[in-house]
Amino acid sequence: DAKTTQPNSMESNEEEPVHLPCNHSTISGTDYIHWYRQLPSQGPEYVIHGLTSNVNNRMASLAIAEDRKSSTLILHRATLRDAAVYYCILRGRNTGGFKTIFGAGTRLFVKA
Amino acid sequence: EAGVAQSPRYKIIEKRQSVAFWCNPISGHATLYWYQQILGQGPKLLIQFQNNGVVDDSQLPKDRFSAERLKGVDSTLKIQPAKLEDSAVYLCASSLWGGGTNTEAFFGQGTRLTVV
Repeated sequence: DAKTTQPNSMESNEEEPVHLPCNHSTISGTDYIHWYRQLPSQGPEYVIHGLTSNVNNRMASLAIAEDRKSSTLILHRATLRDAAVYYCILRGRNTGGFKTIFGAGTRLFVKA
Repeated sequence: EAGVAQSPRYKIIEKRQSVAFWCNPISGHATLYWYQQILGQGPKLLIQFQNNGVVDDSQLPKDRFSAERLKGVDSTLKIQPAKLEDSAVYLCASSLWGGGTNTEAFFGQGTRLTVV
């Protein structure tokens, strides 16, 4: 299974943009890049995903490198509620759907 | 739309006892996952179902863990006998089978198991 590498933790000030990096040098051509986040005492929740092109949604933006070996999750204006563990995941297709393998994630701290 | 339901939310058992967790995925979701999340770590995939068939159980400790998904809807995960190192949050997730189109996975709130 392809692996992802993320910093253990990052810190941001409230109202400022946050760029969360992820390396996935062994990504295969059919792997989708997903980001999930996990708030304390909650299950992970979907943030965004992409394959090759950059993506935007109401929560965040995803910038994918041209060679697809890295990606960056962008939170445009961090709030205290964005403090969570963010997981970058490669979601590869297997015979019965999509396999979702998590790494250790990045714990984001947001300062008021 | 109702989310993924899991029960119980919390369970405390003694080592060598048995325990079962239940998951009801989002209606219409063909793919169901069970994860184990030890404190401070990311979720680890234990088993993946497609309808009522097992797609991947390579990381399921089969000597003590078992899971089933009868009728392709609800699922149960059982541990028998439990060990101290099984203390973790057990997460259930589901996703649509998009026929090749990637879709997101939805997670339940998890069951926190403490083995003493």
